[in-house]
Amino acid sequence: GAVVSQHPSWVICKSGTSVKIECRSLDFQATTMFWYRQFPKQSLMLMATSNEGSKATYEQGVEKDKFLINHASLTLSTLTVTSAHPEDSSFYICSAWTGAGNTIYFGEGSWLTVV
Amino acid sequence: GQNIDQPTEMTATEGAIVQINCTYQTSGFNGLFWYQQHAGEAPTFLSYNVLDGLEEKGRFSSFLSRSKGYSYLLLKELQMKDSASYLCAVRDRSGTYKYIFGTGTRLKVLA
Repeated sequence: GAVVSQHPSWVICKSGTSVKIECRSLDFQATTMFWYRQFPKQSLMLMATSNEGSKATYEQGVEKDKFLINHASLTLSTLTVTSAHPEDSSFYICSAWTGAGNTIYFGEGSWLTVV
Repeated sequence: GQNIDQPTEMTATEGAIVQINCTYQTSGFNGLFWYQQHAGEAPTFLSYNVLDGLEEKGRFSSFLSRSKGYSYLLLKELQMKDSASYLCAVRDRSGTYKYIFGTGTRLKVLA
Protein backbone atom coordinates (compact mmCIF):
# COMPACT_ATOMS: atom_id res chain seq x y z
CA GLY A 1 0.00 0.00 0.00
CA ALA A 2 0.96 3.65 -0.24
CA VAL A 3 3.46 4.77 2.37
CA VAL A 4 4.00 8.21 3.77
CA SER A 5 7.01 8.78 5.95
CA GLN A 6 7.17 11.65 8.39
CA HIS A 7 10.32 12.77 10.16
CA PRO A 8 11.20 13.36 12.91
CA SER A 9 8.80 11.34 15.05
CA TRP A 10 9.78 13.28 18.16
CA VAL A 11 11.48 16.62 18.48
CA ILE A 12 12.22 18.86 21.43
CA CYS A 13 13.33 22.40 20.74
CA LYS A 14 14.01 25.54 22.70
CA SER A 15 11.58 28.40 22.70
CA GLY A 16 12.39 30.87 19.93
CA THR A 17 14.03 28.37 17.61
CA SER A 18 12.64 26.87 14.41
CA VAL A 19 11.98 23.26 13.66
CA LYS A 20 11.34 21.52 10.36
CA ILE A 21 9.14 18.47 9.85
CA GLU A 22 9.34 16.47 6.64
CA CYS A 23 6.63 14.46 4.95
CA ARG A 24 7.60 12.12 2.13
CA SER A 25 5.49 9.90 -0.07
CA LEU A 26 7.69 6.86 -0.62
CA ASP A 27 6.03 4.95 -3.40
CA PHE A 28 3.68 7.39 -5.10
CA GLN A 29 3.53 10.98 -6.24
CA ALA A 30 1.54 13.27 -3.98
CA THR A 31 -0.12 16.09 -5.87
CA THR A 32 -1.51 17.43 -2.64
CA MET A 33 -0.37 17.21 0.94
CA PHE A 34 -2.34 18.25 3.99
CA TRP A 35 -0.89 19.34 7.31
CA TYR A 36 -2.83 18.85 10.52
CA ARG A 37 -2.17 19.51 14.17
CA GLN A 38 -3.77 17.65 17.00
CA PHE A 39 -3.87 18.59 20.67
CA PRO A 40 -4.38 15.86 23.29
CA LYS A 41 -7.86 14.37 23.26
CA GLN A 42 -8.87 16.53 20.33
CA SER A 43 -9.42 15.84 16.67
CA LEU A 44 -7.24 16.73 13.71
CA MET A 45 -7.29 20.38 12.80
CA LEU A 46 -6.43 21.17 9.20
CA MET A 47 -3.69 23.79 9.07
CA ALA A 48 -3.01 24.04 5.37
CA THR A 49 -3.22 22.36 2.02
CA SER A 50 -0.17 22.33 -0.19
CA ASN A 51 -0.02 21.55 -3.88
CA GLU A 52 3.27 20.76 -5.55
CA GLY A 53 4.92 23.82 -6.99
CA SER A 54 2.45 26.37 -5.63
CA LYS A 55 1.87 28.28 -2.43
CA ALA A 56 0.06 26.55 0.37
CA THR A 57 -3.53 27.42 1.19
CA TYR A 58 -3.86 28.12 4.90
CA GLU A 59 -6.97 27.64 6.97
CA GLN A 60 -8.46 30.58 8.78
CA GLY A 61 -6.59 31.39 11.96
CA VAL A 62 -3.35 29.67 10.95
CA GLU A 63 -0.41 32.07 10.67
CA LYS A 64 1.34 31.45 7.37
CA ASP A 65 4.47 33.31 8.48
CA LYS A 66 4.78 31.09 11.52
CA PHE A 67 4.01 27.77 9.89
CA LEU A 68 5.98 27.73 6.66
CA ILE A 69 4.97 25.02 4.23
CA ASN A 70 6.98 24.04 1.19
CA HIS A 71 5.97 21.44 -1.38
CA ALA A 72 8.86 21.58 -3.78
CA SER A 73 8.48 18.11 -5.27
CA LEU A 74 5.79 15.51 -5.77
CA THR A 75 7.21 13.40 -2.97
CA LEU A 76 8.21 15.93 -0.32
CA SER A 77 6.47 18.58 1.72
CA THR A 78 7.94 20.33 4.74
CA LEU A 79 6.41 22.23 7.63
CA THR A 80 8.66 24.65 9.47
CA VAL A 81 7.48 26.00 12.79
CA THR A 82 9.29 29.30 13.18
CA SER A 83 10.07 31.00 16.48
CA ALA A 84 8.45 28.15 18.32
CA HIS A 85 6.73 28.72 21.65
CA PRO A 86 5.49 26.25 24.24
CA GLU A 87 1.92 26.65 22.97
CA ASP A 88 3.07 25.24 19.63
CA SER A 89 3.74 21.92 21.34
CA SER A 90 1.45 19.46 19.63
CA PHE A 91 1.18 16.40 17.42
CA TYR A 92 1.67 17.39 13.79
CA ILE A 93 0.62 14.98 11.10
CA CYS A 94 0.68 15.10 7.33
CA SER A 95 -1.35 13.26 4.77
CA ALA A 96 -0.88 12.88 1.06
CA TRP A 97 -3.25 12.56 -1.86
CA THR A 98 -2.34 11.39 -5.35
CA GLY A 99 -4.90 13.67 -6.93
CA ALA A 100 -7.03 10.74 -8.02
CA GLY A 101 -9.27 8.41 -6.05
CA ASN A 102 -10.57 9.03 -2.58
CA THR A 103 -7.96 7.89 -0.15
CA ILE A 104 -5.46 10.03 1.66
CA TYR A 105 -2.44 8.43 3.26
CA PHE A 106 -1.18 9.60 6.62
CA GLY A 107 2.34 9.93 7.89
CA GLU A 108 3.20 8.59 11.33
CA GLY A 109 3.00 12.02 12.91
CA SER A 110 5.53 14.18 14.73
CA TRP A 111 5.42 15.11 18.38
CA LEU A 112 6.80 18.60 18.94
CA THR A 113 7.66 19.78 22.43
CA VAL A 114 8.86 23.35 22.86
CA VAL A 115 10.64 24.03 26.13
CA GLY B 1 -17.70 27.09 6.35
CA GLN B 2 -17.65 23.57 7.66
CA ASN B 3 -19.10 22.11 10.83
CA ILE B 4 -18.69 18.45 11.68
CA ASP B 5 -20.00 17.19 15.01
CA GLN B 6 -19.68 13.90 16.86
CA PRO B 7 -20.33 12.83 20.44
CA THR B 8 -17.21 13.35 22.52
CA GLU B 9 -17.15 10.04 24.34
CA MET B 10 -19.00 6.73 24.30
CA THR B 11 -18.74 3.60 26.38
CA ALA B 12 -19.86 0.12 25.38
CA THR B 13 -19.43 -3.47 26.49
CA GLU B 14 -17.36 -6.13 24.78
CA GLY B 15 -19.48 -8.08 22.30
CA ALA B 16 -22.07 -5.33 21.98
CA ILE B 17 -22.95 -3.05 19.06
CA VAL B 18 -22.27 0.69 19.09
CA GLN B 19 -23.33 3.43 16.70
CA ILE B 20 -21.27 6.61 16.43
CA ASN B 21 -23.07 9.50 14.79
CA CYS B 22 -21.68 12.34 12.74
CA THR B 23 -23.53 15.40 11.48
CA TYR B 24 -21.98 17.79 9.03
CA GLN B 25 -22.55 21.04 7.24
CA THR B 26 -20.30 21.79 4.33
CA SER B 27 -20.63 23.75 1.13
CA GLY B 28 -18.86 21.35 -1.21
CA PHE B 29 -19.53 17.82 0.00
CA ASN B 30 -17.60 15.19 -1.91
CA GLY B 31 -17.55 12.15 0.32
CA LEU B 32 -17.46 11.13 3.96
CA PHE B 33 -14.79 9.04 5.60
CA TRP B 34 -14.42 7.26 8.91
CA TYR B 35 -11.04 6.74 10.53
CA GLN B 36 -9.89 4.98 13.66
CA GLN B 37 -7.10 6.52 15.70
CA HIS B 38 -5.28 5.10 18.68
CA ALA B 39 -3.62 7.63 20.95
CA GLY B 40 -0.37 8.97 19.54
CA GLU B 41 -0.74 7.17 16.23
CA ALA B 42 -1.82 8.10 12.72
CA PRO B 43 -5.48 7.56 11.78
CA THR B 44 -6.29 4.41 9.87
CA PHE B 45 -8.96 4.33 7.18
CA LEU B 46 -12.17 2.46 7.95
CA SER B 47 -14.79 3.40 5.39
CA TYR B 48 -15.92 5.79 2.69
CA ASN B 49 -19.40 6.88 1.60
CA VAL B 50 -20.26 9.23 -1.22
CA LEU B 51 -23.76 8.01 -2.06
CA ASP B 52 -26.66 7.54 0.32
CA GLY B 53 -26.94 4.20 2.00
CA LEU B 54 -25.05 1.62 3.96
CA GLU B 55 -21.55 0.33 3.27
CA GLU B 56 -20.61 -2.85 5.11
CA LYS B 57 -17.11 -4.04 5.76
CA GLY B 58 -16.83 -6.92 8.18
CA ARG B 59 -17.63 -5.75 11.70
CA PHE B 60 -17.81 -2.14 10.57
CA SER B 61 -20.62 -0.49 8.60
CA SER B 62 -21.09 3.13 7.67
CA PHE B 63 -24.25 4.92 6.62
CA LEU B 64 -24.74 8.21 4.84
CA SER B 65 -27.71 10.49 4.25
CA ARG B 66 -26.63 13.49 2.21
CA SER B 67 -29.99 15.26 2.47
CA LYS B 68 -29.77 15.14 6.27
CA GLY B 69 -26.04 15.80 6.50
CA TYR B 70 -25.75 12.70 8.63
CA SER B 71 -23.61 9.62 8.86
CA TYR B 72 -23.02 6.89 11.37
CA LEU B 73 -20.41 4.23 11.96
CA LEU B 74 -21.69 0.94 13.32
CA LEU B 75 -19.32 -1.37 15.12
CA LYS B 76 -20.52 -4.89 15.82
CA GLU B 77 -19.15 -7.59 18.12
CA LEU B 78 -17.06 -5.07 19.96
CA GLN B 79 -13.59 -6.09 21.06
CA MET B 80 -11.32 -4.49 23.63
CA LYS B 81 -8.96 -3.44 20.84
CA ASP B 82 -11.75 -1.29 19.38
CA SER B 83 -11.15 1.20 22.20
CA ALA B 84 -9.92 4.20 20.24
CA SER B 85 -11.01 7.51 18.81
CA TYR B 86 -13.23 7.44 15.75
CA LEU B 87 -13.00 10.38 13.40
CA CYS B 88 -15.55 11.40 10.82
CA ALA B 89 -14.06 13.40 7.95
CA VAL B 90 -15.67 15.19 5.03
CA ARG B 91 -13.98 15.85 1.73
CA ASP B 92 -14.80 19.36 0.64
CA ARG B 93 -14.30 20.54 -2.91
CA SER B 94 -15.62 24.08 -2.58
CA GLY B 95 -12.15 25.38 -3.29
CA THR B 96 -9.20 23.08 -3.47
CA TYR B 97 -9.96 19.58 -2.29
CA LYS B 98 -9.50 19.22 1.42
CA TYR B 99 -10.35 16.76 4.14
CA ILE B 100 -11.96 18.24 7.24
CA PHE B 101 -12.16 16.16 10.38
CA GLY B 102 -14.93 16.13 12.93
CA THR B 103 -14.54 16.54 16.63
CA GLY B 104 -13.85 12.82 17.12
CA THR B 105 -15.47 10.28 19.43
CA ARG B 106 -13.45 8.45 22.08
CA LEU B 107 -14.86 4.96 22.46
CA LYS B 108 -14.11 2.90 25.51
CA VAL B 109 -14.92 -0.80 25.38
CA LEU B 110 -15.40 -2.44 28.75
CA ALA B 111 -15.02 -6.12 29.56
